[in-house]
Amino acid sequence: GQNIDQPTEMTATEGAIVQINCTYQTSGFNGLFWYQQHAGEAPTFLSYNVLDGLEEKGRFSSFLSRSKGYSYLLLKELQMKDSASYLCAVLDSNYQLIWGAGTKLIIKP
Amino acid sequence: DTAVSQTPKYLVTQMGNDKSIKCEQNLGHDTMYWYKQDSKKFLKIMFSYNNKELIINETVPNRFSPKSPDKAHLNLHINSLELGDSAVYFCASSQVGSGGPKFNEQFFGPGTRLTVL
Repeated sequence: GQNIDQPTEMTATEGAIVQINCTYQTSGFNGLFWYQQHAGEAPTFLSYNVLDGLEEKGRFSSFLSRSKGYSYLLLKELQMKDSASYLCAVLDSNYQLIWGAGTKLIIKP
Repeated sequence: DTAVSQTPKYLVTQMGNDKSIKCEQNLGHDTMYWYKQDSKKFLKIMFSYNNKELIINETVPNRFSPKSPDKAHLNLHINSLELGDSAVYFCASSQVGSGGPKFNEQFFGPGTRLTVL
């Protein structure tokens, strides 16, 4: 079966750094997405990785290791507005997005 | 200018009723989706559809049916609503393919919060 695992909830302090991990087992791999979802809103695109390595975009970075079936989302200089759920999703061999359950990130002052 | 729109935003109805949620995308995408997000916040795919193929999540009751009048629209019709259908329903669209990061990113509508009483 297809499976994506990420922690249910994480807590971090404003100004700090947090890393949200995602491991996956899917039928094929055509890329991995990270989405952000604020409470009561729709998910919005953050990043896409298809090759191994780190992709940096401002305060957010995403890392992928295909051989390990592993990715992480790194958030630096945390702000209160970063409080949201972060969803990991893998594009399988049929170009279907397989979604993780999401990680709720709580930022404390 | 809204990329993916859906109506209504809120829907409150009685058990046993039939209701529809409309979705439209103006991005020229070839594939549209319906998702259900329940109180536990898990995003569950219900359907994906392009003009060639409808893929149904086998766990979705047949009371739910997608209807696509054209490539830019995918409406969700629900018969005989049940209490457990209460959730937020998201429509999304994408251009599916192997052309790199601009492909396969899904764009979501604002969601429809359905409450069944």
